[in-house]
Amino acid sequence: ETGVTQSPTHLIKTRGQQVTLRCSSQSGHNTVSWYQQALGQGPQFIFQYYREEENGRGNFPPRFSGLQFPNYSSELNVNALELDDSALYLCASSLVANQNEQYFGPGTRLTVT
Amino acid sequence: GQQLNQSPQSMFIQEGEDVSMNCTSSSIFNTWLWYKQDPGEGPVLLIALYKAGELTSNGRLTAQFGITRKDSFLNISASIPSDVGIYFCAASNAGGTSYGKLTFGQGTILTVHP
Repeated sequence: ETGVTQSPTHLIKTRGQQVTLRCSSQSGHNTVSWYQQALGQGPQFIFQYYREEENGRGNFPPRFSGLQFPNYSSELNVNALELDDSALYLCASSLVANQNEQYFGPGTRLTVT
Repeated sequence: GQQLNQSPQSMFIQEGEDVSMNCTSSSIFNTWLWYKQDPGEGPVLLIALYKAGELTSNGRLTAQFGITRKDSFLNISASIPSDVGIYFCAASNAGGTSYGKLTFGQGTILTVHP
């Protein structure tokens, strides 16, 4: 069984730029959620995707957007990067039948300068 | 918004000691979960609890879903050095038409001295 994978591992961007982060869900999982984890904090829910549509969203502005593909992999896009966007971005996959049990990838560390 | 209050913030214990941490909320949840995160990695699911009052074990770990549905605790017995890490509680009301948003606590940093 393949776990959740994310790419890239680390990324450095400049304020105002755009970034795309990628996630491959655990085999058999059809739902993907994205979280932002600031240093020293717990993860914060950004949004969830199921059947290639956004299935729920946390308190994040529209410049955070996503996609899910037919193979259940997903992308997180962030436009007009701000310094406060520096964080660990985590992807988690689950079965729609049990969305509570979410399995996380290793994350992408984004630094905005 | 919904928040989980996790305590203690950090713990320094000797190898072999038992550990207890808890999580409380002002809101009701229908699922409580406990995760462990090691440096540079994503959280790993330890235990999931689905029923108020439920007590579940996973090896040396035991967790309980509070009867009021507003709290949960995690116990680790006979701690070992590899228990070091950050432990997070999380809660959710996913089910039916509600999507699976996990709300996390601030984490408990566990240090185990050999």
